[in-house]
Amino acid sequence: DAKTTQPTSMDCAEGRAANLPCNHSTISGNEYVYWYRQIHSQGPQYIIHGLKNNETNEMASLIITEDRKSSTLILPHATLRDTAVYYCIVSRPNTDKLIFGTGTRLQVFP
Amino acid sequence: GAVVSQHPSRVICKSGTSVKIECRSLDFQATTMFWYRQFPKKSLMLMATSNEGSKATYEQGVEKDKFLINHASLTLSTLTVTSAHPEDSSFYICSARDPLRGEQFFGPGTRLTVL
Repeated sequence: DAKTTQPTSMDCAEGRAANLPCNHSTISGNEYVYWYRQIHSQGPQYIIHGLKNNETNEMASLIITEDRKSSTLILPHATLRDTAVYYCIVSRPNTDKLIFGTGTRLQVFP
Repeated sequence: GAVVSQHPSRVICKSGTSVKIECRSLDFQATTMFWYRQFPKKSLMLMATSNEGSKATYEQGVEKDKFLINHASLTLSTLTVTSAHPEDSSFYICSARDPLRGEQFFGPGTRLTVL
């Protein structure tokens, strides 16, 4: 079963930061937090992952709380092309399969 | 970045026929690949784990004789939907784990329509 809870949907104005929350209160010490997104009728796209430190790459930033029970994916300047379903998944690298929950449907509007 | 391809991207077949879908990792070797299916407006559902050189591991409720998986090389896994029926119509997606980076990369998906 998926071990994460995400809001069903969110809206964001183009150019503004999109902050997508995820709860993973049962995460274990060796599990990472992964974020993927799926644009309509395409395969999921990897965004970012982290263990306990905050992470940033060219796509997004990942903020993980100190107790690791929740995290936030930040798209700093959302564009219309960021409209997608965003999935937060906890998993152990090289060990576990990825189990997808229902995700958050992010709608970026002009 | 890593690329995973699938072929075909879409296929339409008659009920009772078998359909083979290929999944390839293009710039890394993958000992493990995964197959998912996705119904409209639903999340991805893991069907099976494909292991190079050994039998696939199927998730509960997935018929292994219905969905045949072969992982004959480190860059190719195939899913064959046998005796397809209209209820098998779905979006099938594969992923491959890059052993060096630990990340899974997904293919673009194959849309199967069974008439």
